[in-house]
Amino acid sequence: DIQMTQSPSSLSASVGDRVTITCQASQDISNYVNWYQQKAGKAPKLLIYDASNLETGVPSRFSGSGSGTDFTFTINNLQPEDIATYYCQHYDSLPCSFGQGTKLEIK
Amino acid sequence: QLVESGGDLVQPGGSLRLSCAASGFTFSSYSMNWVRQAPGKGLEWVSYISSSSSTIYYADSVKGRFTISRDNAKNSLYLQMNSLRAEDTAVYYCARDRGAAAQYFDYWGQGTLVTVSS
Repeated sequence: DIQMTQSPSSLSASVGDRVTITCQASQDISNYVNWYQQKAGKAPKLLIYDASNLETGVPSRFSGSGSGTDFTFTINNLQPEDIATYYCQHYDSLPCSFGQGTKLEIK
Repeated sequence: QLVESGGDLVQPGGSLRLSCAASGFTFSSYSMNWVRQAPGKGLEWVSYISSSSSTIYYADSVKGRFTISRDNAKNSLYLQMNSLRAEDTAVYYCARDRGAAAQYFDYWGQGTLVTVSS
């Protein structure tokens, strides 16, 4: 099974900051990575698909990049409503799996 | 919209059936999944079913104990859970799949809590 190692597990940033989260796959998975946002007590929400494509309706301050084994998720100009836990997910093969999550807090 | 139901407190070894009612889209055109989240933990994919029920997959952790099914006439997805264990305690989400097999989870329900405890 493919493992997704996500880091950091938590981070604190200020409004207006640029935030970066990384995911490393245990083998080459091309661009088969999605990114989700989960706010407290809510279901996850798809933000980025195929590593770099912005889901419809998602603000452009969110972006993703990477291919192969290394992937990056970025939030530019951090907003208070971005407080959440973020997960990467691979779908190269079954079982698909998620990273451990990154809990984002505002300083 | 996806609305799960059926979560409850159940004893180890017991059974439970979860349901997910879909509305607002053509349910029969989409594959569906169950994804769970143990309290304070991350997300774990559980099972996948294709739009016509012809293809089904399970995570190893539930294979042989859980059964996914759907009724397109009723716009409903189900998860029959047998031989439940403490480690099955989680919020269970149904999630629409925009892709082929557990690829893009683009719509999620609000979740239903299953607690396995004596």
